Amino acid sequence: EVQLVESGGGLVQPGGSLRLSCAASGFTVSSNYMSWVRQAPGKGLEWVSVIYIGGSTNYADSVKGRFTISRENSKNTLYLQMNSLRAEDTAVYYCVRDRSNGYWYFDLWGRGTLVPVSS
Amino acid sequence: QSVLTQPPSVSGAPGQRVTISCTGSSSNIGAGSDVHWYQQLPGTAPKLLIYGSSNRPSGVPDRFSGSKSGTSASLAITGLQAEDEADYYCQSYDSSLSGSVFGGGTKLTVL
Repeated sequence: EVQLVESGGGLVQPGGSLRLSCAASGFTVSSNYMSWVRQAPGKGLEWVSVIYIGGSTNYADSVKGRFTISRENSKNTLYLQMNSLRAEDTAVYYCVRDRSNGYWYFDLWGRGTLVPVSS
Repeated sequence: QSVLTQPPSVSGAPGQRVTISCTGSSSNIGAGSDVHWYQQLPGTAPKLLIYGSSNRPSGVPDRFSGSKSGTSASLAITGLQAEDEADYYCQSYDSSLSGSVFGGGTKLTVL
């Protein structure tokens, strides 16, 4: 079955760090553009970061310098390392696939993992 | 403030037609970037509804259609059904941000 399963979410204090994982099955992560998209409670969707097929990355201004996207090809897994977390980073984080590899539409979504940032 | 602008809410009676607008700028929709639409049912992850401005993925009913013109796009839903009640988001690529941008979302209420 083609799917994405996120894990690693949980309560973290402001200033803390967390690493999210996204295990893919049924397709190869490294052959697709892969992104993270987040949704704050009761709010809309916000694109966070992308890793391209070649391994280069890009980030939304709101997380640049604090978050790092990466992948582990042997495990077919995507990661999001989040440092210096702030209350405004509180959200459900979705792992998504752009199978079009350049047209920037997300055809596959995980169920999401919740990251509350609070003291 | 979202880069793409959508109305916060729309409503319609069963069987009616509704449209949801999505307005961008010269760095995204106006630059020729495609517009994509997602449906998010309560408590679930978003689902791709329209891609490439007017294409439907397999399994999406033809009651859903999309169009794009200039710096705007729209999603039309005909033959409204109770199960269409959801949040709808438009999305595009922004060349000045070098990343994806979303609209703020539109809540569809079926009366």
